[in-house]
Amino acid sequence: SQQGEEDPQALSIQEGENATMNCSYKTSINNLQWYRQNSGRGLVHLILIRSNEREKHSGRLRVTLDTSKKSSSLLITASRAADTASYFCASGGGSNYKLTFGKGTLLTVNP
Amino acid sequence: GAGVSQSPSNKVTEKGKDVELRCDPISGHTALYWYRQSLGQGLEFLIYFQGNSAPDKSGLPSDRFSAERTGGSVSTLTIQRTQQEDSAVYLCASRHISGTSGGETQYFGPGTRLLVL
Repeated sequence: SQQGEEDPQALSIQEGENATMNCSYKTSINNLQWYRQNSGRGLVHLILIRSNEREKHSGRLRVTLDTSKKSSSLLITASRAADTASYFCASGGGSNYKLTFGKGTLLTVNP
Repeated sequence: GAGVSQSPSNKVTEKGKDVELRCDPISGHTALYWYRQSLGQGLEFLIYFQGNSAPDKSGLPSDRFSAERTGGSVSTLTIQRTQQEDSAVYLCASRHISGTSGGETQYFGPGTRLLVL
């Protein structure tokens, strides 16, 4: 069953605005990762945050993790039309490093 | 270097036929995963290979699905007697497992879009 659940399912914003996507998970994790997918093809890893971290930055991306609430958020600042894609969170845990993916948030950035 | 490659990119088949999907992982990556993604859905874990260990097949939806990984590199996912509900994008990912704490990132191939008529 899907453990991660993203919210919202779809988000439409104007270029230059910030986009925030949320993710919830159910069991304990070692890390939480965010991936991006264009046009239903392969996923590209964006950022990983470990269970002992609370916030992490990478360029225009900011990820937060609240293990007490079992939730994470991904913030994309100063969005661009090229950021249009689906964004998935994936929770990692267990000895085989299996990731459990949510259903994703479809982000549309309008020029 | 080269990323994960998958073939074919697209496959159209008739119900009841068998199909084979191929994945070439990144050289040196010991872990390999197969996922299925139905339209508008997240990724569904199918199977995981790690080195010479027994694969984790817990995600395979039925006994019509099987996968092999030969020589610790190339993997094939076989679907026998395909059904229309098997239509989906099948994604392969590989990962380098090291003794350090890093290496959790999975690197995905472009996927194979399977359509069963």
